Amino acid sequence: EAGVAQSPRYKIIEKRQSVAFWCNPISGHATLYWYQQILGQGPKLLIQFQNNGVVDDSQLPKDRFSAERLKGVDSTLKIQPAKLEDSAVYLCASSLSSRQDSPLHFGNGTRLTVT
Amino acid sequence: EDQVTQSPEALRLQEGESSSLNCSYTVSGLRGLFWYRQDPGKGPEFLFTLYSAGEEKEKERLKATLTKKESFLHITAPKPEDSATYLCAVQGGKLSFGAGTTVTVRA
Repeated sequence: EAGVAQSPRYKIIEKRQSVAFWCNPISGHATLYWYQQILGQGPKLLIQFQNNGVVDDSQLPKDRFSAERLKGVDSTLKIQPAKLEDSAVYLCASSLSSRQDSPLHFGNGTRLTVT
Repeated sequence: EDQVTQSPEALRLQEGESSSLNCSYTVSGLRGLFWYRQDPGKGPEFLFTLYSAGEEKEKERLKATLTKKESFLHITAPKPEDSATYLCAVQGGKLSFGAGTTVTVRA
């Protein structure tokens, strides 16, 4: 089966600019996640979707981050305006089930550098 | 708040030199403990799920075990291709990841 697709792979922007990331989950996976992974740390959940509804966005900095999942498939994550501390890898993951013990399948991420 | 601490931060092994990685956790209501492998420039790849103390899972040279307060990932006779960062995550109310242990296996 095809894995989770993410684009772009790399992005360099200046602070205060905006950026968007795209994710296409594994076909049939209803649950989609966006994680932020800062160098040397484990992934941190930003937002979880079940189909096209938000399940958990408690750790999403809503003043600058937004995410949507139209038609319950693809998703985009946007940052506007970016700050230096947003430099990180943004990982998209999907799971077949909404069960909490369902393993996550991750994409290879987008590495964002904010200068 | 759920916490996950992995040790050591880095581990350098000679090929064939077995060792163990530790994941200690505090969580209210463990629903599962996960191990993932992450290669440089890649996303984490699922390895195991453990649910209750005493449970063990194996895959090739890797064996994961679980107690009430910690999990171990044992690497038996590692090869250079086992070099990666190994992440532990616990599912309580949320899924919380540790910072990982970076394993380097020299030929």
